[in-house]
Amino acid sequence: KNQVEQSPQSLIILEGKNCTLQCNYTVSPFSNLRWYKQDTGRGPVSLTIMTFSENTKSNGRYTATLDADTKQSSLHITASQLSDSASYICVVEYGGATNKLIFGTGTLLAVQP
Amino acid sequence: GAGVSQSPRYKVAKRGQDVALRCDPISGHVSLFWYQQALGQGPEFLTYFQNEAQLDKSGLPSDRFFAERPEGSVSTLKIQRTQQEDSAVYLCASSFTGGYMNTEAFFGQGTRLTVV
Repeated sequence: KNQVEQSPQSLIILEGKNCTLQCNYTVSPFSNLRWYKQDTGRGPVSLTIMTFSENTKSNGRYTATLDADTKQSSLHITASQLSDSASYICVVEYGGATNKLIFGTGTLLAVQP
Repeated sequence: GAGVSQSPRYKVAKRGQDVALRCDPISGHVSLFWYQQALGQGPEFLTYFQNEAQLDKSGLPSDRFFAERPEGSVSTLKIQRTQQEDSAVYLCASSFTGGYMNTEAFFGQGTRLTVV
């Protein structure tokens, strides 16, 4: 079954600290992996998109890594800000007949002052 | 408009009532997707349109769910005889090319449906 699993489920950190979120997937065939940020009551917003040949991609203070061999990805957030408080969702695009996005359940991040 | 627009933002329906949720994608976007997001969960795929053609409806949970995009732009997700388990946020997304194909998918803010 095509699945995307994330850890931890939730995380609390102090403002200014770094953190790393994990994602494991079993989706096959694989097209690409994305990290989305979802603020409460809003739709997901894309942070990064990586194909199997890319193993790292940055977007400001966000850096995503991908190991296509082990089917693992991480999202590292540097120097966290209060506005980083949100759900971070790992999403794998299925490369089969219909390119659908398969979402993880997300990691809920709370940044405290 | 500048982004994907969904309406209504909130909908409360009595069990057994029919509802219709609307999605206005970004102008010119070929692909349109509907997702269902239960509380505390990630979005789950419902259906996919390329222009007016519904290419994949494998995620629709039952025949009470119906989606259409008759002119290849605005889409409507209809739920007949709503049940409490239908309570969720319904997200619409659009992208420029057919399928995702590594391109950006833009999401609307969603419609929160509560069935009482």
